[in-house]
Amino acid sequence: QQQVKQSPQSLIVQKGGISIINCAYENTAFDYFPWYQQFPGKGPALLIAIRPDVSEKKEGRFTISFNKSAKQFSLHIMDSQPGDSATYFCAAGNTGGFKTIFGAGTRLFVKA
Amino acid sequence: SQTIHQWPATLVQPVGSPLSLECTVEGTSNPNLYWYRQAAGRGLQLLFYSVGIGQISSEVPQNLSASRPQDRQFILSSKKLLLSDSGFYLCAWSLKSNQPQHFGDGTRLSIL
Repeated sequence: QQQVKQSPQSLIVQKGGISIINCAYENTAFDYFPWYQQFPGKGPALLIAIRPDVSEKKEGRFTISFNKSAKQFSLHIMDSQPGDSATYFCAAGNTGGFKTIFGAGTRLFVKA
Repeated sequence: SQTIHQWPATLVQPVGSPLSLECTVEGTSNPNLYWYRQAAGRGLQLLFYSVGIGQISSEVPQNLSASRPQDRQFILSSKKLLLSDSGFYLCAWSLKSNQPQHFGDGTRLSIL
């Protein structure tokens, strides 16, 4: 029940295309859903996050879509660029908890 | 602003040798602190977390231990390293589990 399931494991997208990564969770107590971006040899960095009181959040080319009833959320990268090539992790946390639960990660490669 | 320092960046150690990795956070008080391990091309495995000085929770039984001697200092240790301890070790902090985690740049540990 504490798991966050992330798919796909890897993704290849043409430059200018849309990258879509999906995550699903079981624990309805989760109330914070961040996405992290990790480049090789570096620690993950927060990309964008959403709370369950909204269904969508957009920051530049990055959009989180959140479906509370389905317990799913996704990251959309519009106009994908080679510089977006990285590993992306979805995650979930809850008020009063101590841990953030991470998905297994998606390796994105954007072809020039 | 808050910063997190993690060192060393890379470390090569023989099997059976001790280990001490240090992580310090600046610019915040009473953070939650975390140690993760990441195998090559894999996800984040939570090893330990701490919600206060001297308070350590272990997630995975193994050859490692953690200590928090000061509010913003988190240390990962081992008395005798195993080959399976190789990996990328990441320290992170957050104020609450429903707020972002901030990661250090990691330590690449190779066991020979």
